Amino acid sequence: GQQLNQSPQSMFIQEGEDVSMNCTSSSIFNTWLWYKQEPGEGPVLLIALYKAGELTSNGRLTAQFGITRKDSFLNISASIPSDVGIYFCAGRSGTASKLTFGTGTRLQVTL
Amino acid sequence: DTEVTQTPKHLVMGMTNKKSLKCEQHMGHRAMYWYKQKAKKPPELMFVYSYEKLSINESVPSRFSPECPNSSLLNLHLHALQPEDSALYLCASSQLGLAGGRTGELFFGEGSRLTVL
Repeated sequence: GQQLNQSPQSMFIQEGEDVSMNCTSSSIFNTWLWYKQEPGEGPVLLIALYKAGELTSNGRLTAQFGITRKDSFLNISASIPSDVGIYFCAGRSGTASKLTFGTGTRLQVTL
Repeated sequence: DTEVTQTPKHLVMGMTNKKSLKCEQHMGHRAMYWYKQKAKKPPELMFVYSYEKLSINESVPSRFSPECPNSSLLNLHLHALQPEDSALYLCASSQLGLAGGRTGELFFGEGSRLTVL
């Protein structure tokens, strides 16, 4: 089945630093989604990408749909303590309802 | 605030109990989902309902029984569960039938944390 590898697995950064994480797939996707999950909560949608090469921003967050359609990247600029959480990528192929999740990147921000 | 509401937020049950998890959305979405999430792991798909019909069952054991009474409601009936079924159960919904037949983004509820003793 499809697998999504997300890296890094965890990050410990200082407030104000920029963050980059990525997600790679063994097969092609036509939709990439990025979610953030905080302890005890459900995932919250951050950014949705629908076209290869697409670059989309949401405040300090920027995500890109890789040109090969097998990867996606998420950048967070000037991190703040409330950025703490687990970031998941998720991909979908075709028009199917099924969404495949990446393994997650745990982000810790220190003051 | 999430527009997908899940109840209860926490549930503790014995292996012989029968209980239900409930999910409600009023966004007009016609696809609803159940996911299971273990600690520090990504959500795993269990069931998908499209237009109130079960469209995907990811080989889930029969002790989990989904039900979609109408387009706004989704239930997960639990019976004879095992301790390893303890997890966060997430409900989600999405639009269907967008341009090009595309399925919309998934919006998740806050989850129901289940503990099986």
